[in-house]
Amino acid sequence: DTGVSQNPRHKITKRGQNVTFRCDPISEHNRLYWYRQTLGQGPEFLTYFQNEAQLEKSRLLSDRFSAERPKGSFSTLEIQRTEQGDSAMYLCASRVRGRTTGELFFGEGSRLTVL
Amino acid sequence: SQQGEEDPQALSIQEGENATMNCSYKTSINNLQWYRQNSGRGLVHLILIRSNEREKHSGRLRVTLDTSKKSSSLLITASRAADTASYFCATAGIGGGADGLTFGKGTHLIIQP
Repeated sequence: DTGVSQNPRHKITKRGQNVTFRCDPISEHNRLYWYRQTLGQGPEFLTYFQNEAQLEKSRLLSDRFSAERPKGSFSTLEIQRTEQGDSAMYLCASRVRGRTTGELFFGEGSRLTVL
Repeated sequence: SQQGEEDPQALSIQEGENATMNCSYKTSINNLQWYRQNSGRGLVHLILIRSNEREKHSGRLRVTLDTSKKSSSLLITASRAADTASYFCATAGIGGGADGLTFGKGTHLIIQP
């Protein structure tokens, strides 16, 4: 399978715990995005990478959130001291670099439930 | 924040009928895209229309774009049960802002067999 892969697909945690999600993009895609989606809403932009460089972060990305893409391949999104409001689907997407934003290829998402 | 608003929020039709969803957005765009999302799954790209295009077709899909009204519509003809999903419009801005796409809240489409 050469699509975008996300792990784990589901994570249930207690409030205050740390969680980490991993995204493996399509191999030739150098742009990688993280989105958050809550029930009944569309995806909201969190951050994106061009290779290993994190080029933009949304105001939604509080200090408890950190994302990395250390070698320009896979990416991780860590949430520290989780809160119930962090419960959402975390979506990763990738695309080939281009002057304009074309099609994004999404993974199946990682659903987080904070108890 | 979300750029667009889809209308209606939910739509239920009989199999074989046509389904029309509308999207309005607020800022100037480079292109507008439509995505489908099955329950609990990731998003799948359907079609992209550039700001200098007015209409585009792909199989049973027809998309229109009116930049003067900042609106777009997605028409699915001869609907099938498998078309049941949420549909999102997404805009790619011109300069500034976030790279990537800004999504609307979606239209939940149910096709009754």
